[in-house]
Amino acid sequence: GQQVMQIPQYQHVQEGEDFTTYCNSSTTLSNIQWYKQRPGGHPVFLIQLVKSGEVKKQKRLTFQFGEAKKNSSLHITATQTTDVGTYFCAGPGSGYSTLTFGKGTMLLVSP
Amino acid sequence: DTAVSQTPKYLVTQMGNDKSIKCEQNLGHDTMYWYKQDSKKFLKIMFSYNNKELIINETVPNRFSPKSPDKAHLNLHINSLELGDSAVYFCASSQDGQREPYNEQFFGPGTRLTVL
Repeated sequence: GQQVMQIPQYQHVQEGEDFTTYCNSSTTLSNIQWYKQRPGGHPVFLIQLVKSGEVKKQKRLTFQFGEAKKNSSLHITATQTTDVGTYFCAGPGSGYSTLTFGKGTMLLVSP
Repeated sequence: DTAVSQTPKYLVTQMGNDKSIKCEQNLGHDTMYWYKQDSKKFLKIMFSYNNKELIINETVPNRFSPKSPDKAHLNLHINSLELGDSAVYFCASSQDGQREPYNEQFFGPGTRLTVL
């Protein structure tokens, strides 16, 4: 199945700083999803990107899908302590309706 | 109302034992999944069921056997537990559709399994 590589693995920022996580695939993705998992919690769907070059915003979060549909990014402007968690990207998996998750980027925000 | 529920939340057991984890979803979804999340947070699909039928079985030892009595339930039975089975197991569900977001997955709260 397809693999999605995600970087960085871990990032520690001061509150108010920006944060970006990147997701890359060696093959074209039909779509990409992003999930957030708070410490001790479960993954929660954030957004899906489908179109080449698509940009979507959710308040301080900006999601982008590359023109070639092989990469994606999540950018958080002016992080807050509530942004703490692990952010996963996920592309279509090899099986029906399945997803292949990246290894996630763990974000720590210090007040 | 809890959309996807799992029981138990924590499970501590000895090596060699057999245990089960239950999952139920009240979203009316057609597809359910089991994932394993290891200590490094890597989320790996184990099984996928669509309308009670096994669709995918990734490289999982046959000690793991999923059972879907109906569309809303997908249980996971594990025989002869090993130390390496210690992880958080997540159940999830999704509904296929023609509108975005396609295949958004809803996760249960997870079951933390510790094998001693």
